Amino acid sequence: SAVISQKPSRDICQRGTSLTIQCQVDSQVTMMFWYRQQPGQSLTLIATANQGSEATYESGFVIDKFPISRPNLTFSTLTVSNMSPEDSSIYLCSASAGTSYEQYFGPGTRLTVT
Amino acid sequence: GNSVTQMEGPVTLSEEAFLTINCTYTATGYPSLFWYVQYPGEGLQLLLKATKADDKGSNKGFEATYRKETTSFHLEKGSVQVSDSAVYFCALFTGTASKLTFGTGTRLQVTL
Repeated sequence: SAVISQKPSRDICQRGTSLTIQCQVDSQVTMMFWYRQQPGQSLTLIATANQGSEATYESGFVIDKFPISRPNLTFSTLTVSNMSPEDSSIYLCSASAGTSYEQYFGPGTRLTVT
Repeated sequence: GNSVTQMEGPVTLSEEAFLTINCTYTATGYPSLFWYVQYPGEGLQLLLKATKADDKGSNKGFEATYRKETTSFHLEKGSVQVSDSAVYFCALFTGTASKLTFGTGTRLQVTL
C-alpha cells in the first residue's frame, strides 16, 4: 500500500487566480492520477500524471487550465489556473504501484472560489 | 461508455442492522468491480474487489458478488457498526478505458 498526503487541505481563492496542489507519496509508484469531485457528484478523472513526460488529459480537461507536473516517482502537482466559481470542488490525488485499478487516494483538497 | 449507478443516500441504520447498498453498471468489455470507502477526513480506501463474474469480494465483514447477468455489485454487511459510518463508492475498471469509473457515492450513517 501507499500513504498519500496533499497540501493544502483546503483553500479559499479569488476568481482569476491560480492554486497549485501538491501530492506526495511515501513510496515510489508507477502511476499518479488527479480527480475532481464536485458536490453531490462522482469522482471524475482529470488526468494521469506521467513521470518525465506530459500528463495525459481526459476529455473536457486541458493543460492550459490544469497544468500538471510529475518530476519524480513520488511527487506531483496540479495547478488550477484562472479560477472561476465553477472550479470549486474537491481535488483528489491517487497513485498506483501496479495495476492502475488498485489505487490509493489522498485526503483531498477542498477548493472554494469566490 | 462506462457508467456506475449507486443508490442515493444517506442511508441511516441502527447498529447491528443489515446493510445493502445497490450498485449497477454499464460497461464495454469485461470490467473489474470495486467498492471504495471514504471515512470522514480521510482519502478513499479500497474496501473490496472482484475481477470476474461470480467472484465474491469480501473484507471487514463486507461482501459483494459480481453478477454479470444483472450487471450488479451490491455491497452487503450483516451487522453494521458505528465505525462503518462513511461514504461508499462503487467503481469499475476496464482495460479498454484503462481508468476507474466511479458512482456518486452513498453516505452511510450508523447510530447507536
